[in-house]
Amino acid sequence: EIVLTQSPTTIGASPGEKVTITCRATSSVSYIYWYQQKPGASPKPWIYDTSKLASGVPNRFSGSGSGTSYSLTINTMETEDAATYYCQQWSSSPWTFGGGTKLELK
Amino acid sequence: EVQLVESAGGLVQPGRSLTVSCAASGFTFSNYAMHWIRQVPTKGLEWVASISPSGGGTYYRDSVKGRFTISRHNAKNTLYLQMDSLRSEDSATYYCATHSELGFDSWGQGVMVTGSS
Repeated sequence: EIVLTQSPTTIGASPGEKVTITCRATSSVSYIYWYQQKPGASPKPWIYDTSKLASGVPNRFSGSGSGTSYSLTINTMETEDAATYYCQQWSSSPWTFGGGTKLELK
Repeated sequence: EVQLVESAGGLVQPGRSLTVSCAASGFTFSNYAMHWIRQVPTKGLEWVASISPSGGGTYYRDSVKGRFTISRHNAKNTLYLQMDSLRSEDSATYYCATHSELGFDSWGQGVMVTGSS
């Protein structure tokens, strides 16, 4: 099973600040997928195929990486970005998720 | 608009069974693979099971293999998850989700299943 480890587990950012969340895999994966989840809501697809933004996702978000190391970056933090972000892989069954990174507003 | 509406969950004694369902609308259900994903409160997400568009292919995580059964009724636009021999560690919110190039694309609102005596 491919284990995905996200860091940090929690991060606080002020509006306008740059934020980077990393996702490391125990084996190489072809692509990483990112989901955003807010309290009391279901997760939403956010970034797919490592770097493609889902419909409606602001372009201050970006994704990058390859092999075993991936990242999600927010260029300038906004209030609405406070949420938990999960990475996920489809390269090898069982499909696995990272443990999540909770992004809080400072 | 895609809608996935899960049935009510419940409190189930360990060792007993429960079936949850997911009613789909707003898309051609029979064209899409479907998934069940669970989330333990305040913890992360865990893929549980998947089914091919026709229902001919089913896939499970090891910890539920032999106990859970995913199925679908395409004429009724409904996805099912039958959970037998429930364990306390199966307690979670269960989401149904569609599959697309985005990954797990549209998600239901989630149904809470609690295995407890």
